[in-house]
This record gives sequence, C-alpha cells and structure tokens, in this order.
Amino acid sequence: GAVVSQHPSWVICKSGTSVKIECRSLDFQATTMFWYRQFPKQSLMLMATSNEGSKATYEQGVEKDKFLINHASLTLSTLTVTSAHPEDSSFYICSGGDGNQPQHFGDGTRLSIL
Amino acid sequence: TQLLEQSPQFLSIQEGENLTVYCNSSSVFSSLQWYRQEPGEGPVLLVTVVTGGEVKKLKRLTFQFGDARKDSSLHITAAQPGDTGLYLCAGGSNYKLTFGKGTLLTVNP
Repeated sequence: GAVVSQHPSWVICKSGTSVKIECRSLDFQATTMFWYRQFPKQSLMLMATSNEGSKATYEQGVEKDKFLINHASLTLSTLTVTSAHPEDSSFYICSGGDGNQPQHFGDGTRLSIL
Repeated sequence: TQLLEQSPQFLSIQEGENLTVYCNSSSVFSSLQWYRQEPGEGPVLLVTVVTGGEVKKLKRLTFQFGDARKDSSLHITAAQPGDTGLYLCAGGSNYKLTFGKGTLLTVNP
C-alpha cells in the first residue's frame, strides 16, 4: 500500500527556535498533502492543505506565518513551525493523497518545546 | 461544516467481549472511513464505506454504513488486547476529511 514517511519522529527544542518537519510520499505522487495537529487523547485537527506548486490553504485559526508549508514536489511537503513556543507542543501528522485513493498518513512527529 | 460525532468517547472492556462504536452526523457523506491509531503513530486506514447500507467485514471487525449515508458503526467481536487503540471515523472526499473525536478503546487481558 501507499507509504508516507515523516521525519523527524520526535524533536525537543528550546522556545524561540524554528522546527522543520518533512513529509514524503514514497511510492506515489501526492498531488495534495495535508497537515494535522493532534493533542493528547483528541482527534486530528486539519491545519492546512497544500497542493504541489501552489500556496497552502490554511484552516480558520491557523496562522500561516507561524506554520510555513512548502510543497515543492509531488513527493515532499515540509511544515516549519517558526519561533516555536511551549503551546506549539503537539503531535503533528501529515498525509498525502492523489485524489484517487484515501489519504495515507505518516507516523507523526512529536514536538516538545521547552 | 460537516460534523461527525463518535460514541462512546472511552470504552474499557475485557478480552473476549463484543463492542460497537458509532459515528453519526446530520450531513450526508459520499463515503466514510474508519482508522485505528496507536499511541505515537499515525492513523491506519481500516476500511472505506461508500454505498448506503453497505456492510464490510475485516476479520473480527464489521463496518456498516447507514442507508442514508449519515452514520456508520464498527462492531468488534471477541475483542483482543491488540485491538486497543483510538478508533476514528472520517468523512468527506479524498481531498478533505473531517474527523470525529474518536473512541479510545482499551481491551484488558
């Protein structure tokens, strides 16, 4: 089946630093990639949708200047959390799709800001 | 905005018991998907239901899509500790999914 790889799986950093998370589709071309945030014991909340080669569409309440998304190729999207603060600590999950099959999810990135 | 309500939110049972979790909405969905998520991992797709009234079986798991395509259920027979996890339903298109809040299932040995 389709595989999505997410890296890193866990990152701990100091408040004020920026963190980049990569999401790669390994065996299919992800024309669309999605970024979700999940707090403990809660469901996935969609943050933004990105289409290859165009600007991401952000959900209401998500700061686009805080969460920078780049989808430069059909197999790679990146999420950069800029000037991260403790309240940004969460589990970030990406998924990829080509419109013809259900989204396939990465294994998530646990972000802890000290 | 299409909303999905899942119930129960938490469920703790003994190994061997049967259980059913529900996913309900006031909106019609073209399809519904069920995922299972284990701690520290991403959701894994279990099944997609598309046709109203459809029933799909995956070993001990039985998924049903309501006739009106507004609700779905997941029934697990003879639950095992390995079934423990967060069960999420999601609806919408392949381009945008709306997730329910999930049912956190714990199966005790």
